Amino acid sequence: QTVVTQEPSFSVSPGGTVTLTCGLSSGSVSFSHYPSWYQQTPGQAPRTLIYSTNSRSSGVPDRFSGSILGNKAVLTITGAQADDESDYYCVLFMGGGSWVFGGGTKLTVL
Amino acid sequence: EVQLVQSGAEVKEPGESLRISCKGSGYDFSTYWIGWVRQMPGKGLEWLGFIYPGDSETRYSPSSQGQVIISADTSISTAYLQWSSLKASDTATYYCARRVGWQVDYWGQGTLVTVSS
Repeated sequence: QTVVTQEPSFSVSPGGTVTLTCGLSSGSVSFSHYPSWYQQTPGQAPRTLIYSTNSRSSGVPDRFSGSILGNKAVLTITGAQADDESDYYCVLFMGGGSWVFGGGTKLTVL
Repeated sequence: EVQLVQSGAEVKEPGESLRISCKGSGYDFSTYWIGWVRQMPGKGLEWLGFIYPGDSETRYSPSSQGQVIISADTSISTAYLQWSSLKASDTATYYCARRVGWQVDYWGQGTLVTVSS
């Protein structure tokens, strides 16, 4: 069974840029996986940031952007702020109506 | 204003049945997919499946197939997630979410289900 992979943790300095990745244990991520990205802080419901690789959800600042880089989907956060400290999850469409989350990346801003 | 409002927290014993709900408002409930997501304590997110309320077409993830039932009642704009026999491993927070195309745009607030003897 193919697993969606993410870095378990990452850190970024305030004002810095960070790129989080979303890959597959077997194969490459492509536009046809329609990658999406979600932010979740403890005790809160997830918030959708990016869908269909690079479309921002309503109200999401343009500091957040998505793309495909090499064989992975990536979420780039520029000008990191303290309240960007959250868990970030990617989701890939695996066909047959099946959407699969990655394990999530815990982002620390310090 | 679009809202998804979920039912309150539940405490159940193993073997009991349960149905939790997700009520949509502010939009045509029949024409948007509703999905359910599980988050076990301290763990990540997992899609369980989706339902299209207009015709009740349902898609389950491989791991949730046969473990839960997803349904909807368009007359009261409500989607459901149900179990016939709960296990301790069903302890989790469950979220519903609205999907349009490839975008999940609205989320419910979550329902905590605790299964313990």
